[in-house]
Amino acid sequence: DIQMTQSPASLSASLGETVTIQCRASEDIYSGLAWYQQKPGKSPQLLIYGASSLQDGVPSRFSGSGSGTQYSLKISSMQTEDEGVYFCQQGLKYPWTFGGGTKLELK
Amino acid sequence: EVQLVETGGGLVQPGRSLKLSCVASGFTFNNYWMSWTRQAPGKGLEWVASITNSGGSTYYPDSVKGRFTISRDNAQNTLYLQMNSLRSEDTATYYCTRESRNYGGYPLYWYFDFWGPGTMVTVSS
Repeated sequence: DIQMTQSPASLSASLGETVTIQCRASEDIYSGLAWYQQKPGKSPQLLIYGASSLQDGVPSRFSGSGSGTQYSLKISSMQTEDEGVYFCQQGLKYPWTFGGGTKLELK
Repeated sequence: EVQLVETGGGLVQPGRSLKLSCVASGFTFNNYWMSWTRQAPGKGLEWVASITNSGGSTYYPDSVKGRFTISRDNAQNTLYLQMNSLRSEDTATYYCTRESRNYGGYPLYWYFDFWGPGTMVTVSS
């Protein structure tokens, strides 16, 4: 199975601050990576697919990058509504696997 | 608007069975692969099962293979998850998820573009 490792496990950011979350795969996943945001008590929502493609309706302050085994999610200007838990997921090989999550809080 | 609504969760004893349902609307159901993903309380996400748009092929991780069965009724726009021999570690919120892929791309990769609100399954005596 492909293991997905996220870092950090948690972080806090001030309004307007740039935030970066990392995700590492145990083998090359050829940009087959998605990012999800989960707010408290809600289901996850797709933010990014194919490592860098923005899902319809997602604010442009979110962006994804990376290749091979290393990927990142960037929030260019932290907003109150960005608090939540972020997960990465590889969709190249079964079983689909997720990172452990990064909890983002407003400082 | 895409909508996925799960039902069927509840409290069940270890070793017993439970069947979840998910009614889909707002898109052409028989054009999409579908799946179930779960989340134990306070934990991360775990993919549980996938099914092709026709229902002809299914996929499972080792943790549920042989115990869970995913199926669909395209005429009723409904996805199912039959869960047998339930264990305490199956306690989780179960999400119905729509799968999408990079059409025309190589290599193919898959992601979950819509999620239902989830239904809670508690396995306990």
